[in-house]
Amino acid sequence: QQPVQSPQAVILREGEDAVINCSSSKALYSVHWYRQKHGEAPVFLMILLKGGEQKGHEKISASFNEKKQQSSLYLTASQLSYSGTYFCGTAKDNFNKFYFGSGTKLNVKP
Amino acid sequence: DGGITQSPKYLFRKEGQNVTLSCEQNLNHDAMYWYRQDPGQGLRLIYYSQIVNDFQKGDIAEGYSVSREKKESFPLTVTSAQKNPTAFYLCASSKETGEKLFFGSGTQLSVL
Repeated sequence: QQPVQSPQAVILREGEDAVINCSSSKALYSVHWYRQKHGEAPVFLMILLKGGEQKGHEKISASFNEKKQQSSLYLTASQLSYSGTYFCGTAKDNFNKFYFGSGTKLNVKP
Repeated sequence: DGGITQSPKYLFRKEGQNVTLSCEQNLNHDAMYWYRQDPGQGLRLIYYSQIVNDFQKGDIAEGYSVSREKKESFPLTVTSAQKNPTAFYLCASSKETGEKLFFGSGTQLSVL
């Protein structure tokens, strides 16, 4: 039931773009995205609910395709501060257990 | 300031010993969760609670126990039955299940 993330790791130069994908074998109610810096707690980025919406936060945005049971996180013009591990979390409904993917490690270099 | 507090930051367990990790929140959240994170791995759900006096097992509940006697508190006990307890433990809360999670700063548990 754990979602699958790809790629596992990405190395970027400052200013480059990246896409992180999250897919599930089960129908989804919601998808969350979090970023975790080394040794710290994950920090919430955004939540996407059933309905195919796309959300954005500065240069980080995400889409949710419920038919394909997948979500993508888009990082545009990456900054050094974007480095960290990105996790997607999924739930089948609003009352069920919440599962995280295994993470995508992003390293942005100067 | 509202938030979620985990203690201690580092904990060492001896063979055969039970240890308890504390998690307290003052966000007035109904739902609370415990996750385990192994190096380079994702977060795996141990237990979760949607409301006071109720909790459910996650995927890796064996060797762990929890209680939810108060809305603010969700302590996790790592029992001697958990043979490989070394990991980073994260507590989280949300207003309701399905809403965004707020995480504590984590407890690193190691075996002596």
